[in-house]
Order: sequence, then structure tokens, then C-alpha cells
Amino acid sequence: DTGVSQDPRHKITKRGQNVTFRCDPISEHNRLYWYRQTLGQGPEFLTYFQNEAQLEKSRLLSDRFSAERPKGSFSTLEIQRTEQGDSAMYLCASSSPEAPSDTQYFGPGTRLTVL
Amino acid sequence: QKEVEQNSGPLSVPEGAIASLNCTYSDRVSQSFFWYRQYSGKSPELIMSIYSNGDKEDGRFTAQLNKASQYVSLLIRDSQPSDSATYLCAVTKAAGNKLTFGGGTRVLVKP
Repeated sequence: DTGVSQDPRHKITKRGQNVTFRCDPISEHNRLYWYRQTLGQGPEFLTYFQNEAQLEKSRLLSDRFSAERPKGSFSTLEIQRTEQGDSAMYLCASSSPEAPSDTQYFGPGTRLTVL
Repeated sequence: QKEVEQNSGPLSVPEGAIASLNCTYSDRVSQSFFWYRQYSGKSPELIMSIYSNGDKEDGRFTAQLNKASQYVSLLIRDSQPSDSATYLCAVTKAAGNKLTFGGGTRVLVKP
């Protein structure tokens, strides 16, 4: 069990560019979550998957955001036409029904800076 | 009204003292409650989970849940400088569902 991993850890981009982040959950965790956290705030839910099915999307997730989990393993989060307001830490978490009551474990996050 | 509310702090406690953190939530159907610790620039790390009314102890940490009052708290005994961090309260309405976080309480433990 190597924990949740995210790549890249840091991303600096210019406004209007597209960015893609990757999350690898703890092996055999069938649920995967994306959250966004800005400075001084708690994480905010974006979306989550059970296996390859995307079960819920937040209203925060505009049409510029898309997430996939094609084979029920790793997931990608893409932001198109980035805006300065997208600057945040993007956190991925995973859980399993077999783990203590679906406890969510977080990866190290990807810090996005949009210039 | 925010779904999960915490005092932002900072809560300053002397080393060796007890730190007491509070969290209230608005949705009565909330089922599971979590405390995460987050160091500056790092991701949240799970400290405690609690699901039923009463106290739950794990080492120096005690979580307390009162569903009737919609209130959950965290006590940190024998506080150490390494406990200086932001503590996030999170709730979920059902197993597997999204976490809803409070804004976090910043704790400073002074030697």
C-alpha cells in the first residue's frame, strides 16, 4: 500500500491554457474523489467515482472541468481554458467499502498556479 | 449558514495543555464525522473518525459527538509543538459520499 499519489505536484500555467492532473488511488480502492482547496479554506468537493462511474459532480465543476476514470483505476482531471480563479490545491482521495467505514485518504495534492 | 462551521482561530495553547476544538454542522442526516490535520502546504491527514454519540479516544486525541446538538469536538491532550497545524472537521451523509469540510481551526502550541 503506497498511498494515494498525484502528478504533477506543482503546475504553473498561463491563463487560457489547458492542464491535466493525474491521481492514482490506493490499490483496490474503488472510490475516488476530487476536491479543490484555496488558501485559508477547507477542501471543496468537485466530483467522485465508484469504479469507472462518475456518480456525483459539484455545481462548482463548470463545463471547463472534466474528470475521467476510464478503467476504474487512476483518474484524470482536466481544466480547459484556465482562469486565475482556478489557482488552488487540487486534492485526490480514495476509499474502499472494506476500509474503516469508507474513510477517505488524501494524496499530496497538485498545486496549480494560473498566471 | 455554512454546512460545517469551525472557529478559524488561531487557538493558542501552551505545550502540555489540552487543546479543545469545536465543530457544528447543519444537516441532521449527517452520519459520519472526521477530523483531519493539515500542516501548511500539505494535504489533510486523518486523525479520528466517529459515528455514534459519545466519546472516542485514540492516544492523545478524543473525539466527542452529540448528534442532538449537531456538535462534534476534538480534544488534544498533552499538546506538543508538532500539533501546530490546521484541524479540519468533515462530515458525510452516508458511507462513500462526499466529505463536507469546515474552514478549519488553526492551532498554535507554544513551547
